Amino acid sequence: EEQLVQSEAEVKKPGESLRISCKASGYKFTDYWISWVRQMPGKGLEWMGRIDPSDSHTSYSPSFQGHVTISADRSTSSVYLQWSSLKASDTAMYYCTIVTTGYWGQGTLVTVSS
Amino acid sequence: EIVLTQSPGTLSLSPGERATLSCRASESVSSTSLAWYQQKPGQAPCLLIYGASSRATGIPDRFSGSGSGTDFTLTVSRLEPEDFAVYYCQQYGRSPWTFGQGTKVEVK
Repeated sequence: EEQLVQSEAEVKKPGESLRISCKASGYKFTDYWISWVRQMPGKGLEWMGRIDPSDSHTSYSPSFQGHVTISADRSTSSVYLQWSSLKASDTAMYYCTIVTTGYWGQGTLVTVSS
Repeated sequence: EIVLTQSPGTLSLSPGERATLSCRASESVSSTSLAWYQQKPGQAPCLLIYGASSRATGIPDRFSGSGSGTDFTLTVSRLEPEDFAVYYCQQYGRSPWTFGQGTKVEVK
């Protein structure tokens, strides 16, 4: 069974760094691009960017370019979303997804508060 | 960036009624790259329609998608109690991929 399993919820302070993960299983990891999607509390879905796990080529939404980094590790079939300096406005649910297949992770809630 | 505008923002209907949701794009979108999702509170989105009109695996046939170019429609022929949720369209044909702002289908 194809699955995307995300890391647990995080509570961080402004200025701290963070990396959350999305582990793929049940299919060939390099077959599909994986995207990250943000959903702020009570708001809609925002596409952040995607990565091609076969060569780690990335594409970002201009709204998120320079604020986050997406990476992949073929040895663990995992994709990561990373911040170097969190802000309170990064508080949101983050999902990984394979758009072309409809697979979604369960979401990782990131809370940034002093 | 392609902007997707969904209308109406909220649709108030009764079970058994027909729901018609619109997604309008600021530029032409490839029909092979337009999807519709349903999201219920506390859950990840669920893919309903891909390629503008193809139902995803396990999706009931009361859900149908249509359209081309800049105008796309999701129709729910007869609303079941479990269909009251928020619906999003997404284009994934041109980067950056984008979502519409969502349509909430609520019980009248």
